[in-house]
Amino acid sequence: QKEVEQNSGPLSVPEGAIASLNCTYSDRGSQSFFWYRQYSGKSPELIMSIYSNGDKEDGRFTAQLNKASQYVSLLIRDSQPSDSATYLCAVIIYNQGGKLIFGQGTELSVKP
Amino acid sequence: NAGVMQNPRHLVRRRGQEARLRCSPMKGHSHVYWYRQLPEEGLKFMVYLQKENIIDESGMPKERFSAEFPKEGPSILRIQQVVRGDSAAYFCASSAGTGGEQYFGPGTRLTVT
Repeated sequence: QKEVEQNSGPLSVPEGAIASLNCTYSDRGSQSFFWYRQYSGKSPELIMSIYSNGDKEDGRFTAQLNKASQYVSLLIRDSQPSDSATYLCAVIIYNQGGKLIFGQGTELSVKP
Repeated sequence: NAGVMQNPRHLVRRRGQEARLRCSPMKGHSHVYWYRQLPEEGLKFMVYLQKENIIDESGMPKERFSAEFPKEGPSILRIQQVVRGDSAAYFCASSAGTGGEQYFGPGTRLTVT
C-alpha cells in the first residue's frame, strides 16, 4: 500500500464549478498535510497546509482533514482554466524527520 | 528575490561526467531538502540537511550521490559518474523548521546524454 494515494485523473470540470481533489494516507503518524500545485515543466507551488481536523479556507481553496478516516481533500471553488495543473498531496510523518511524502498527483483540467 | 534559488536551471552531462546542483534556501530558512522527479513519476525525497549536518539521507542512492550544506554558501547535490537514468528534475525546498511548510525552488533539469 502506498503511503499517500491520489486518483491520477484527469479530473475535468467546467469553468466556474467546484473541483474536488482527494487524498488518503496510510500512516497514522502523519502529522502535517500539504497541497501543492504543479504546472507542467514547473516546480511545485504550496497552495495549502493543514495540521488539525476540520476545514481550512484560503480564498477559493478549502482543505479538509479527517484523521480518523486518514483522508485529506482540497476543494477549489469557481474553478478557472488557470487552475488546470497537477495537484500534489503531501504528508510529513511524525518521527520520520521533516521529509515530504508525496502522492502521485491528480491532473485537473478546467474547461472554458 | 527572497525565494529558493537553484542553479543551473538546465544541465547537460555526458555519461560518466559529474553533475553539481546548487541550492540557496529562502531567506531565514536553515532547513534544505532535495527531491527528484523522474519523467512521468512522482516527487521522491532524497536528503534533508541543516547547516553542516545531514539529518536524513534515507532517499539517496547509496553510490555516486552526495549532498552537503556548508556553513557558508549554497547546498550542493553532487552526482558522480552520471548515467542516463539520472536524467530528471531535481528540486530543492527549504523550510524554517522541521515539519513546517516547504517552499520549492525552480528546479534543475538534468539531461544525461
